[in-house]
Amino acid sequence: QKEVEQDPGPLSVPEGAIVSLNCTYSNSAFQYFMWYRQYSRKGPELLMYTYSSGNKEDGRFTAQVDKSSKYISLFIRDSQPSDSATYLCAMTTTVYTGANSKLTFGKGITLSVRP
Amino acid sequence: NAGVTQTPKFQVLKTGQSMTLQCAQDMNHEYMSWYRQDPGMGLRLIHYSVGAGITDQGEVPNGYNVSRSTTEDFPLRLLSAAPSQTSVYFCATRGRGAGGEQYFGPGTRLTVT
Repeated sequence: QKEVEQDPGPLSVPEGAIVSLNCTYSNSAFQYFMWYRQYSRKGPELLMYTYSSGNKEDGRFTAQVDKSSKYISLFIRDSQPSDSATYLCAMTTTVYTGANSKLTFGKGITLSVRP
Repeated sequence: NAGVTQTPKFQVLKTGQSMTLQCAQDMNHEYMSWYRQDPGMGLRLIHYSVGAGITDQGEVPNGYNVSRSTTEDFPLRLLSAAPSQTSVYFCATRGRGAGGEQYFGPGTRLTVT
């Protein structure tokens, strides 16, 4: 079983839809959870970052973490064509940047929002 | 601030050639890393460094070398290029205590023929 599993997609939705992107993980030591957004032919950029179970909201984006179920989600409300990108979940065991602090990424899901 | 810069943006190599991918950052971050990204495989860690003079292997280190003589620079060397190394390469940095706040460069698209 891979440490982080992400729905493979691709996903296509109409503009204005609510989008739910999900990842599951197996390592209970993961404490910090991130969502990265990657536009075509660009590097990934950090979108959301959380370390506790529950919800974190930023504008149209909500990150949800359920540590008991080892499950994280990213919700996008009122999706826009500009949200079309690849979304990668990532997680790590520690906030410190030492030898064992590497990020473990999901494979990413490509989202297309149709006008 | 330029953030994380990578050169070149594109490169075509013949099998057996060697080259160095450059990565530089101006954020004074200790942690730097190299990933490759392939369709269906996601981001895979090649090598990383927790500070000047310290490097270690990631999941896919074979065929690549790194060194870290300064905080700012973290070059990735391909010793003898193979078609399997055709990929998009990303350099990334993180500051102390920054956890997942990792900043990526724009990438280098490498094709090995």
